[in-house]
Amino acid sequence: DTAVSQTPKYLVTQMGNDKSIKCEQNLGHDTMYWYKQDSKKFLKIMFSYNNKELIINETVPNRFSPKSPDKAHLNLHINSLELGDSAVYFCASRYGDNSPLHFGNGTRLTVT
Amino acid sequence: GESVGLHLPTLSVQEGDNSIINCAYSNSASDYFIWYKQESGKGPQFIIDIRSNMDKRQGQRVTVLLNKTVKHLSLQIAATQPGDSAVYFCAEAGQNFVFGPGTRLSVLP
Repeated sequence: DTAVSQTPKYLVTQMGNDKSIKCEQNLGHDTMYWYKQDSKKFLKIMFSYNNKELIINETVPNRFSPKSPDKAHLNLHINSLELGDSAVYFCASRYGDNSPLHFGNGTRLTVT
Repeated sequence: GESVGLHLPTLSVQEGDNSIINCAYSNSASDYFIWYKQESGKGPQFIIDIRSNMDKRQGQRVTVLLNKTVKHLSLQIAATQPGDSAVYFCAEAGQNFVFGPGTRLSVLP
């Protein structure tokens, strides 16, 4: 199936650990995103990459580092996890401006 | 900064009735808007979009209305069904996708 897929779906870890979330899209899109959704369902953009280049980097702690090995993949690495990092993280992609975002099904991160 | 917001955080409707979900946006230069549906445990799914050169667009059981004068967007769902229960987001889709806070739609039997 054509889709945006991200792994893992659930991630439970302790404070201070380092973890990664992977994202792949086979839609042929040039632009990929990471969004964070908090407990109140608010969706906030974190990063955007276009053809492996960073184009949007919102106010996100340096502990978060996106990596795009090719335009079909955008991974998110998080160092020194904190309780406040607990949220659902969504990967998304699209062809470009004026086209809809296609979302993955999210990774629920719980930091204990 | 620019923002997209919703008038009602929750909406309960009887099965079979029509639903209307509203959204206000603040960037008058925006020219492309999208409605998304998010079911529990899933990512937001595209429902319908509209460009600023239109004021109405219809899909299957859904209609989006755009009023650029008052910067207002609405999603109408006809004959609401239990499967329509979800959180609905409007989004302002420029380079930086901006989402509203979402409206939870509950369909009552």
